[in-house]
Amino acid sequence: AQKVTQAQTEISVVEKEDVTLDCVYETRDTTYYLFWYKQPPSGELVFLIRRNSFDEQNEISGRYSWNFQKSTSSFNFTITASQVVDSAVYFCALSELPDSGGSNYKLTFGKGTLLTVNP
Amino acid sequence: ETGVTQSPTHLIKTRGQQVTLRCSSQSGHNTVSWYQQALGQGPQFIFQYYREEENGRGNFPPRFSGLQFPNYSSELNVNALELDDSALYLCASSLTGTGYGYTFGSGTRLTVV
Repeated sequence: AQKVTQAQTEISVVEKEDVTLDCVYETRDTTYYLFWYKQPPSGELVFLIRRNSFDEQNEISGRYSWNFQKSTSSFNFTITASQVVDSAVYFCALSELPDSGGSNYKLTFGKGTLLTVNP
Repeated sequence: ETGVTQSPTHLIKTRGQQVTLRCSSQSGHNTVSWYQQALGQGPQFIFQYYREEENGRGNFPPRFSGLQFPNYSSELNVNALELDDSALYLCASSLTGTGYGYTFGSGTRLTVV
């Protein structure tokens, strides 16, 4: 069965530090998608990035970067020069077809990492 | 392009009661999924609706049920509420078969007392 592990429950850094959030996943499928979401205290899930299983190219978007390695089943997220506004819970998620059948994908989330950036 | 809207925002119910949560999908999306997020946990997949039928279900009992309407909006119904049903319920719309492109609503926070 699919599984997403975020081993870091909480991380606390000082503003301007770089921080990496780890994500390890398990899947039996060859076609899947990986996501990172940000959840501020208000509760909504804010989409950050999506990668498909055939594209291992790393990506950079401003202060955010992602390192996807199929060999280690990892999809890590780095924030460079962190800011107080980055404080939130971050979720890694995996999209696969449901075990119970059906043609539609479902998202499996990790338990999240609470990032606190202190001024 | 409208996003996903969920109602109500907050709700308090008594154990044993029934509750209905509502979700309108994003324009152009035909699939709606529901997720339960307990405090301190990641969202858990409840089920998914496509063409007004359930199309995939997570590990949730039958007292969790749903509907999808011709305009792709959806309802989540929970019968015989238990204290452990207290959670944030998130709705996500997507285009079927794509595996990506989920748009989430802001959620309904349900408290069962």
